[in-house]
Amino acid sequence: QKEVEQDPGPLSVPEGAIVSLNCTYSNSAFQYFMWYRQYSRKGPELLMYTYSSGNKEDGRFTAQVDKSSKYISLFIRDSQPSDSATYLCAMSGGNNRLAFGKGNQVVVIP
Amino acid sequence: EAQVTQNPRYLITVTGKKLTVTCSQNMNHEYMSWYRQDPGLGLRQIYYSMNVEVTDKGDVPEGYKVSRKEKRNFPLILESPSPNQTSLYFCASSLYGGATEAFFGQGTRLTVV
Repeated sequence: QKEVEQDPGPLSVPEGAIVSLNCTYSNSAFQYFMWYRQYSRKGPELLMYTYSSGNKEDGRFTAQVDKSSKYISLFIRDSQPSDSATYLCAMSGGNNRLAFGKGNQVVVIP
Repeated sequence: EAQVTQNPRYLITVTGKKLTVTCSQNMNHEYMSWYRQDPGLGLRQIYYSMNVEVTDKGDVPEGYKVSRKEKRNFPLILESPSPNQTSLYFCASSLYGGATEAFFGQGTRLTVV
């Protein structure tokens, strides 16, 4: 079983829809959970960061962590064409490793 | 402006010809790392450095070397590149390591023929 599982299937949604992305993990040592956004031909940029179970909101973005189920989610409300990108989950146990999921390509159709 | 700068952005080379990809950050970060990104495999860590003269292997270090002689620079060296090292490479820096925000460079697309 891979440390971080993220179904890499592309996702197309109409503008204004809610985008739901998720990752599962197997390493109980992971304490820090991140979502990165990567536009085409660019490096990843941090979108959301959390270290506790529960929800964290930032504008239209909500990150959700369920440590008991080893499951994290990212929700994008009122999606915009500018949200079209690849979204990567990432996790760390507080050491020097950052483990990434494979990424989900999201396309928001105007 | 806080940034991580990689050079070159694009590189085509031949098998066996040594090359270096440079990485520089201006945020005085202690921690720097190199990743490769391949379709279907995601981002995988090659090497990381916790500080000057302190480096360690990541998940896929074979065929790569690094050095950290100055805090701001962390070059990636391919002594004898092979076609399976064709990939998109990213350098990243962060204040303390995996528990803090990583800033990524723009990427270097390397093709080895």
